[in-house]
Amino acid sequence: DGGITQSPKYLFRKEGQNVTLSCEQNLNHDAMYWYRQDPGQGLRLIYYSQIVNDFQKGDIAEGYSVSREKKESFPLTVTSAQKNPTAFYLCASSEFPGLAGGYEQYFGPGTRLTVT
Amino acid sequence: KNQVEQSPQSLIILEGKNCTLQCNYTVSPFSNLRWYKQDTGRGPVSLTIMTFSENTKSNGRYTATLDADTKQSSLHITASQLSDSASYICVVSGLTGGGNKLTFGTGTQLKVEL
Repeated sequence: DGGITQSPKYLFRKEGQNVTLSCEQNLNHDAMYWYRQDPGQGLRLIYYSQIVNDFQKGDIAEGYSVSREKKESFPLTVTSAQKNPTAFYLCASSEFPGLAGGYEQYFGPGTRLTVT
Repeated sequence: KNQVEQSPQSLIILEGKNCTLQCNYTVSPFSNLRWYKQDTGRGPVSLTIMTFSENTKSNGRYTATLDADTKQSSLHITASQLSDSASYICVVSGLTGGGNKLTFGTGTQLKVEL
């Protein structure tokens, strides 16, 4: 899990509520990423950020929002507009900007979100 | 469409035995290929990263091979241990106009038993 922390590990919410997942890194990495993992599917990119105050949509950004006000923090908000929010959410970071490229991507321990 | 396919989907082996996991991809243009180990309920941890020019790379009891011509990779685990029980994910990085893009396989679930 390196120097990336995600909290909480488990999160339960009622349908219709927004919820924010925390991701903090002390690796001094420029780039940070949010992925979603569902059973039987590969990880899918939600959002990524290459530098502070800048972020880009990934493949499945609808219903999610992010902010990058500090280099070490990249919180993800799952809004009520996300139709199937129940999933395992993984945050990652890498040393250089861009979609990782040849540089190592380090993952956090994940947050399992259950919405009922 | 860029895809990464892994086989088998799941595998059960006895402790001490060897096993080989397969990864086929259609990602193009190719940048690099990674293998990750993911324990249940945890984040993936990198095992190896291989570029186009690398045919094989080892990390302890893990040895990855890459054939960029046939777009195939394998991960060989030697003398398996109970702690090897995990999901092994193949990830291929492809070059796009905006940089590199990672395509994740669905993983091979390995269980090592006594």
